[in-house]
Amino acid sequence: KAGVTQTPRYLIKTRGQQVTLSCSPISGHRSVSWYQQTPGQGLQFLFEYFSETQRNKGNFPGRFSGRQFSNSRSEMNVSTLELGDSALYLCASSLETGQGSIMNTEAFFGQGTRLTVV
Amino acid sequence: QKEVEQDPGPLSVPEGAIVSLNCTYSNSAFQYFMWYRQYSRKGPELLMYTYSSGNKEDGRFTAQVDKSSKYISLFIRDSQPSDSATYLCAMMKTSYDKVIFGPGTSLSVIP
Repeated sequence: KAGVTQTPRYLIKTRGQQVTLSCSPISGHRSVSWYQQTPGQGLQFLFEYFSETQRNKGNFPGRFSGRQFSNSRSEMNVSTLELGDSALYLCASSLETGQGSIMNTEAFFGQGTRLTVV
Repeated sequence: QKEVEQDPGPLSVPEGAIVSLNCTYSNSAFQYFMWYRQYSRKGPELLMYTYSSGNKEDGRFTAQVDKSSKYISLFIRDSQPSDSATYLCAMMKTSYDKVIFGPGTSLSVIP
């Protein structure tokens, strides 16, 4: 069974540009969450999508956005990049239980996209 | 004050030692508690999770939750060099809530 796939693995962008990151969840998983990881702030929750709808949102500015497609693949976009956006961006997918709740306790992470803003 | 606090380490122990990793939290609404392990240049992987207070054991790993003290622990018995990683505690209010992570503790197990 393939794991969570994130592309690209590494990215260098210039301040002011925008970037799109992609995440393909484990087959059958319909929930996708995005996190930003930095040495200073640790792992911070960005947002979660389920069935193409945003279910939860963290405390990030509107420059950070995401979407989910009908096949559960997800993308996140960061516009007007700042130096402080340099981080490892991780996505995690979770399985929906029969009762309809998402068991985020069993989230599987991808290897992340390392974004460097120069 | 952050919602979840964790000693960042680094923690260095000899092989075979018992390791204790701890987190404290401020929000009494948290009910689900998880421990993740993250190797360098990899995404976190779930070690175990517990619901509410109590203990849970899985092989060499034991998780403890004390909700009255807002304190959770992960014990690693007979530590191995392959346990060298960053350990992240995480918690949620409900099973479909957003996950809040601690900053992580870096562990090195010396052969």
